[in-house]
Amino acid sequence: ETGVTQSPTHLIKTRGQQVTLRCSSQSGHNTVSWYQQALGQGPQFIFQYYREEENGRGNFPPRFSGLQFPNYSSELNVNALELDDSALYLCASSFRLADQETQYFGPGTRLLVL
Amino acid sequence: AQSVAQPEDQVNVAEGNPLTVKCTYSVSGNPYLFWYVQYPNRGLQFLLKYITGDNLVKGSYGFEAEFNKSQTSFHLKKPSALVSDSALYFCAVRDPTDSWGKLQFGAGTQVVVTP
Repeated sequence: ETGVTQSPTHLIKTRGQQVTLRCSSQSGHNTVSWYQQALGQGPQFIFQYYREEENGRGNFPPRFSGLQFPNYSSELNVNALELDDSALYLCASSFRLADQETQYFGPGTRLLVL
Repeated sequence: AQSVAQPEDQVNVAEGNPLTVKCTYSVSGNPYLFWYVQYPNRGLQFLLKYITGDNLVKGSYGFEAEFNKSQTSFHLKKPSALVSDSALYFCAVRDPTDSWGKLQFGAGTQVVVTP
């Protein structure tokens, strides 16, 4: 196991609702990246947080937002949920500027939007 | 822009036989390359990476990968497959010139190892 934890493990929401997913990074890591993995696809980069600031964003709309806290844990917030947001959401932690930033993934949160 | 291709949706191999999972990439400059494995209803587990140096990289669980710059490939190999190696395998590339560590993943290759 990587030491990266995510909560909840599963979540069911309806269209238009808002959701918050949580991630605790591995001890010693200071960077958190979030990915969306739709069924049958590879993970897609959402954004990365370093020093409590967004450090890069993939092709996702602004209704996907996040936070990083002083203890390096992170939240992913999705507003106005759409059916296509149904996916496995993965967070990965790494230590910036070391280890060529190998990213270690948590078990994921599976979100179903009805 | 960086991209990764995994040309095979599924690879079938008998236990004890060699396993190869193919990956090709496109990135400007020298890439960072990674392999991850995903078991059902689990997150991704890191197997190995190539950053620089020896083209043959050894990783976890007896896996290795060979970096070939001229063919822009990074194929994953295991000399003798186990039934427990059955899983979904992802190749990923990172452009080291990015100031942030976005990984671009392939679509994945399902490996099925039969007894």
